Amino acid sequence: GEDVEQSLFLSVREGDSSVINCTYTDSSSTYLYWYKQEPGAGLQLLTYIFSNMDMKQDQRLTVLLNKKDKHLSLRIADTQTGDSAIYFCAVPRYSSASKIIFGSGTRLSIRP
Amino acid sequence: EAGVAQSPRYKIIEKRQSVAFWCNPISGHATLYWYQQILGQGPKLLIQFQNNGVVDDSQLPKDRFSAERLKGVDSTLKIQPAKLEDSAVYLCASSLSGTEQFFGPGTRLTVL
Repeated sequence: GEDVEQSLFLSVREGDSSVINCTYTDSSSTYLYWYKQEPGAGLQLLTYIFSNMDMKQDQRLTVLLNKKDKHLSLRIADTQTGDSAIYFCAVPRYSSASKIIFGSGTRLSIRP
Repeated sequence: EAGVAQSPRYKIIEKRQSVAFWCNPISGHATLYWYQQILGQGPKLLIQFQNNGVVDDSQLPKDRFSAERLKGVDSTLKIQPAKLEDSAVYLCASSLSGTEQFFGPGTRLTVL
């Protein structure tokens, strides 16, 4: 079946870059997403990439997509304390692009 | 633009009791989703509506969960009777085009 995997934790020093990785088993040819969830809040769409792209940059965020290896990553440059959150990779199901499968989330913590 | 509204934000009940959650999507969004997010996991789709019709309820435990969206706008999700393992955050999301989903703040349910 379709599966999306992420590492559970990442700790980085303030000002460094954070790289959050995600692997998936299959996906339809639409968008792949990164969501951010802060404590006690719903999910906020952070960025997304269309499946025919291999990179997208949006200010401090860079998304890399390797379709051959089914690997998606999110790089946050100059990580700040406000970036502390759980980051979810979300991939549309192969059978239906309107249904997305979420990874278990990566908890990003920032060290001073 | 107002976001997705959910109520209540928190609910504590005893097992075997009933509970209902309410969601008001973003105005004009035809697609509405209910997700269950268990602590430490990513959201899992329970049911998807397109206007007032059910598109996918394959993951909904129909012996105890029910959902409706009678007029194609607001939606309610009900659990009757609740079990301990239903303790989770219930997230509602809506979408205009079926791609980007906007999430509400969620209802945190604790079953004792």
